[in-house]
Amino acid sequence: AQSVSQHNHHVILSEAASLELGCNYSYGGTVNLFWYVQYPGQHLQLLLKYFSGDPLVKGIKGFEAEFIKSKFSFNLRKPSVQWSDTAEYFCAVIPVERNNRLAFGKGNQVVVIP
Amino acid sequence: ETGVTQTPRHLVMGMTNKKSLKCEQHLGHNAMYWYKQSAKKPLELMFVYNFKEQTENNSVPSRFSPECPNSSHLFLHLHTLQPEDSALYLCASSQDTGTGTYEQYFGPGTRLTVT
Repeated sequence: AQSVSQHNHHVILSEAASLELGCNYSYGGTVNLFWYVQYPGQHLQLLLKYFSGDPLVKGIKGFEAEFIKSKFSFNLRKPSVQWSDTAEYFCAVIPVERNNRLAFGKGNQVVVIP
Repeated sequence: ETGVTQTPRHLVMGMTNKKSLKCEQHLGHNAMYWYKQSAKKPLELMFVYNFKEQTENNSVPSRFSPECPNSSHLFLHLHTLQPEDSALYLCASSQDTGTGTYEQYFGPGTRLTVT
């Protein structure tokens, strides 16, 4: 079964700092990749996704992620965070051949200090 | 109301009780999902329904019994649960399961405590 690894589960940074969250997955076949975000008191919602094409994808609120196939990675970045980016961020992977099975990482709790 | 709704939002039950969780989606989707979110663990997929048919059971114990009477409603029937079943249970929906490209929309979850 595929697994998704997210490190640095708790991240604290100041406004205007840059953010990078790592995501690695263990599956050898073709995958679809997602980052979901959960703001305090809100539902999980999609931040961005990658299926094919340009490996650098842009999502909402200035976030972007880069798929590096050789490294089985899909890291999330934002050049300059805001207090409103305080949230929990989840990487998720679904093998194309097993389109039912979306697998999530443990999440990164990000706190942005004003 | 729009999106995915779940009731109840909080539930406390004894190990001998029988209760049900309800999920309703107002998005016209054809696939619905149950997930379990425990502390310090990744979100775990439990069940998948696509066009009312169960297409995935991720080795879930039989004390959890899903029901999908139509594409808009999903239930999770609970009986003789264990304390380790205490968790946040999330429901999600998507257009269908397709090739795994459809975004899943999540509900707010039911916080379940088994005493």
